[in-house]
Amino acid sequence: GENVEQHPSTLSVQEGDSAVIKCTYSDSASNYFPWYKQELGKGPQLIIDIRSNVGEKKDQRIAVTLNKTAKHFSLHITETQPEDSAVYFCAASNTGFQKLVFGTGTRLLVSP
Amino acid sequence: SAVISQKPSRDICQRGTSLTIQCQVDSQVTMMFWYRQQPGQSLTLIATANQGSEATYESGFVIDKFPISRPNLTFSTLTVSNMSPEDSSIYLCSVRLLPSGANVLTFGAGSRLTVL
Repeated sequence: GENVEQHPSTLSVQEGDSAVIKCTYSDSASNYFPWYKQELGKGPQLIIDIRSNVGEKKDQRIAVTLNKTAKHFSLHITETQPEDSAVYFCAASNTGFQKLVFGTGTRLLVSP
Repeated sequence: SAVISQKPSRDICQRGTSLTIQCQVDSQVTMMFWYRQQPGQSLTLIATANQGSEATYESGFVIDKFPISRPNLTFSTLTVSNMSPEDSSIYLCSVRLLPSGANVLTFGAGSRLTVL
């Protein structure tokens, strides 16, 4: 089955810096890669996703890149703000939604 | 998007007891799922709640321990049976709104269980 690895487990940046979180997956059949943000005491919330027919997707300060050959994808947050502080999870699944497999999470701390 | 309400939001339970978590969605959804998030860990799929039939469990999870009901397209329950401290986790209900090909999941806020 699918296995998703995520790095780093914790990331501390200064406000205004960029943050990058990386994930690798094992199943070449996976073609959907969402990113979720989980704030303290809340459920995960989808912030951006990408499908395998696209190499990059951007939404304001966040972007996701996908390299299907290398089986890895990354989340990029620019101009970080304290409210970006949260735990971020990557995930992978294939068409037909057999199963959404999550990475181990990255705790991002943005200091003012 | 759907609004998901989970009850209880948190509870402290005694070893050996059982607790039922409710998940209510404000619209009809095609698929509902239950995830477990152990302290400081990632999300693990427990089962898919099937409307009108038995839930589909993932490896490592069994019906006797985690019985699930889904009587209609907007409601599901997860029971954690005969609890032990190892069951202390956040249990999350999630739904998939669109038909096959769109894998977007929406999550509830979760139910945080502490087993003493």
